[in-house]
Parts: sequence; C-alpha cells; structure tokens
Amino acid sequence: DQQVKQNSPSLSVQEGRISILNCDYTNSMFDYFLWYKKYPAEGPTFLISISSIKDKNEDGRFTVFLNKSAKHLSLHIVPSQPGDSAVYYCAAMDSNYQLIWGAGTKLIIKP
Amino acid sequence: TAGITQAPTSQILAAGRSMTLRCTQDMRHNAMYWYRQDLGLGLRLIHYSNTAGTTGKGEVPDGYSVSRANTDDFPLTLASAVPSQTSVYFCASSDDEGVPYYGYTFGSGTRLTVV
Repeated sequence: DQQVKQNSPSLSVQEGRISILNCDYTNSMFDYFLWYKKYPAEGPTFLISISSIKDKNEDGRFTVFLNKSAKHLSLHIVPSQPGDSAVYYCAAMDSNYQLIWGAGTKLIIKP
Repeated sequence: TAGITQAPTSQILAAGRSMTLRCTQDMRHNAMYWYRQDLGLGLRLIHYSNTAGTTGKGEVPDGYSVSRANTDDFPLTLASAVPSQTSVYFCASSDDEGVPYYGYTFGSGTRLTVV
C-alpha cells in the first residue's frame, strides 16, 4: 500500500503562472515532508522541506503547504520558469530517518 | 566538490552476468541507500545501510546484494543479471540529523541495460 501518493503523473503550466504540485499521505506519524526536483540524467536534488508541526514553509519562489487533517501537502512555484520543468518527488520521513517516496509528477512549463 | 560518485555512468550487460555498481561518498554520512528508478514507479529502495558494518533490505531487494565495509563505500552487486533489472540506479547518502533539513544527497545515477 502506497504511503505517499502523487496522483498526477504530469502537469503543464504556462510560464509566469503558478504551478501547484500535490501529494497525499496515509501515515499521520510522519515527522517531516520533503520535495525533490529531478532533471533527466541527473540525480534528484533536495528542494524544500516542512516539519509536521508547521503548515507552511517558504523559500524564494517555492512554498510548501501542509494540511495535517487532510494528510495533504502541496508545493507552489510562483512564478513558474522554464528551468522548473522537471520531475518533482514528494517524500515523507519516518521515525528512522528513512524517506518514503511518491511516484513523482512531471512538470512542464510552457513558454 | 563533495558529494557522491557513482560508476559506471552506464553499462550494457548480458543476462546471466554479474556486475557491481560502485558508490562512494566523501561527506562522512552514516547512512547510504540504493534506489532504482523505473518509469511510472518513482524511486524504489533496494538496500540501505544505517552505518558501516550494517545493511538492510528495502522494497525490492531480490537479485541484489550490498556490503558496507567502511563509511565511504556502498557497492551494489547483481549476481546474475536479468532483463527486469534494466533500470537507472541511484545511490544516496544522509546524515540522520540532517535529513529533515537537507534530505538525502544523490549521485548522478548508473543506467543499466540487461540484454
């Protein structure tokens, strides 16, 4: 049973608009949630994280929102840029510091 | 630059042959991981090691083995390759206390094709 789900395999957004990537989880005991970005032929790179005791974390154009009651988090990218085109992975950290990964969402920024 | 080095970058391997994918980190991270990435399936954990001298099985360990003789190296061995092991393999490492803030550090991957 998937504990972390990214239900949208892909998302297409116009350059300059907001990109919203979604992630759902089932285990209410997760301590932290992380977002990773992956370009083709490269390893994933860490983007931003949020503690389970917070509901928002911001870093430049990237903001992550956490709704614990809904077991849902989202990554907002504003404004979207061509370089943001990549696969985005949501991950949850368990009590053993291990990450549980979603299947990823491919974001395409259209010029 | 500090980080993770994976070798080889890519490899074509005949079915039934053995192969070792190499992974070395220079950050003195205690934990290391091997993942495979397949289209539509995201990252799946093969094996992990929380500290030198210990290893554990992940989600898809069958057909793979690992060892962790020291902190820096975490090789992944395919004893007898099969076509279903065609994938991109990523090695990663982490410092436990840093995971919430920096996550894992990944290598650039090894693209393996088993024919």
